[in-house]
Amino acid sequence: SAVISQKPSRDICQRGTSLTIQCQVDSQVTMMFWYRQQPGQSLTLIATANQGSEATYESGFVIDKFPISRPNLTFSTLTVSNMSPEDSSIYLCSVETRSTGYTIYFGEGSWLTVV
Amino acid sequence: LAKTTQPISMDSYEGQEVNITCSHNNIATNDYITWYQQFPSQGPRFIIQGYKTKVTNEVASLFIPADRKSSTLSLPRVSLSDTAVYYCLVGDDSGNTPLVFGKGTRLSVIA
Repeated sequence: SAVISQKPSRDICQRGTSLTIQCQVDSQVTMMFWYRQQPGQSLTLIATANQGSEATYESGFVIDKFPISRPNLTFSTLTVSNMSPEDSSIYLCSVETRSTGYTIYFGEGSWLTVV
Repeated sequence: LAKTTQPISMDSYEGQEVNITCSHNNIATNDYITWYQQFPSQGPRFIIQGYKTKVTNEVASLFIPADRKSSTLSLPRVSLSDTAVYYCLVGDDSGNTPLVFGKGTRLSVIA
């Protein structure tokens, strides 16, 4: 397994501002993923972040709104830009491991409330 | 991507065994079956993973029939702290197709 730390764990943000979420992993991983979970809903994949290349975004998510950095094999950031109340969600960082099969592990999430 | 279908919710009393079944009719040859548990305001936690037959760990058992079109997560003697949402996912080990979450099963354990 991997230990994943996210910052901030929780924040209240003003409408129109941007916030960057950091994800730190205790080991080198090739692939990192960012998910969003809106209140009462399941997880939705935002993008896949590979080191040394541009992030790959899922349908409905764009780089201008959710820019992602992946400077090395243990760290990634997700920025939520120009926030609106609809962006109030838990944002989760996850990493893939190949110990057996294909498993992803999650951080504890960053709970953002936009007011 | 193989789609999964689970019951939306289940109730159980403390001390009972709970079995949550997941259908994945379009599972591919290289797909593994993975179950996650999520408590409110926390990230999903890996519970168990299997490819075929039966897998058991300290938390749960996973039963997979020969055709692999379904799987059953078995939680022995549940307690109140097992109240959570349980997700069944299928995915291969290529890393090219990240796991997609369905709606999950909301398990409520009652005293």
